[in-house]
Amino acid sequence: QVRLVESGGGVVQPGRSLRLSCAVSGFTFSSYAMHWVRQAPGKGLEWVAVISSDGSLKYYADSVKDRITISRDNSRNTLYVQMNSLRAEDTAVYYCATTLHIAAAGTSHAFDIWGQGTTVTVSS
Amino acid sequence: QSALTQPRSVSGSPGQSVTISCTGSSSDVGGYNYVSWYQQHPGKAPKLMIYDVTKRPSGVPDRFSGSKSGNTASLTISGLQAEDEADYYCCSYAGSFTFVFGTGTKVTVL
Repeated sequence: QVRLVESGGGVVQPGRSLRLSCAVSGFTFSSYAMHWVRQAPGKGLEWVAVISSDGSLKYYADSVKDRITISRDNSRNTLYVQMNSLRAEDTAVYYCATTLHIAAAGTSHAFDIWGQGTTVTVSS
Repeated sequence: QSALTQPRSVSGSPGQSVTISCTGSSSDVGGYNYVSWYQQHPGKAPKLMIYDVTKRPSGVPDRFSGSKSGNTASLTISGLQAEDEADYYCCSYAGSFTFVFGTGTKVTVL
């Protein structure tokens, strides 16, 4: 059974750091690029970052690229995002996502597997 | 990386059709055939409904269809059902391995 399980969320003060994790099971993690997508309370989805299957390539949304680092440990089947200098506007549910089943059709430009999300609240 | 523009809400009666638009630019929607659509019920993770503009993943009813013209993509739900009431988001590849989502549309089944 394919599963993405995020963890690490919580309440954090502005300016502090936080690392989120996404534990993967049910497929060959090391073969797939992974993404982070976030959703502020009552707001829309925002794509945050992507990392290639081997971890060598990383791309970020302009809104976060100076404060967020995406990484992965293929030996632990786990995706990470390190968030620094957190601001109130970083308050959101953070989802990890990937392209899995539809990748067989030759596409990698959509997200067909999502985790349940972990909530980050930045507040003093 | 400005969010794609969607109507805030659309509504229809059961059995009717509704169409949601998603307007971007030549740098995203208009530049690539990589538009996807997601359905999100309250408190749940998004679910992929359409990818590569027109393709449906396995298990998605054929009542859902996608199209694109220029810088605007559209999602049509035919034969609207009560369970289709949800938020819908478009998403486009925006080049350089980045993506941009739409502002979201609430679909109400009257």
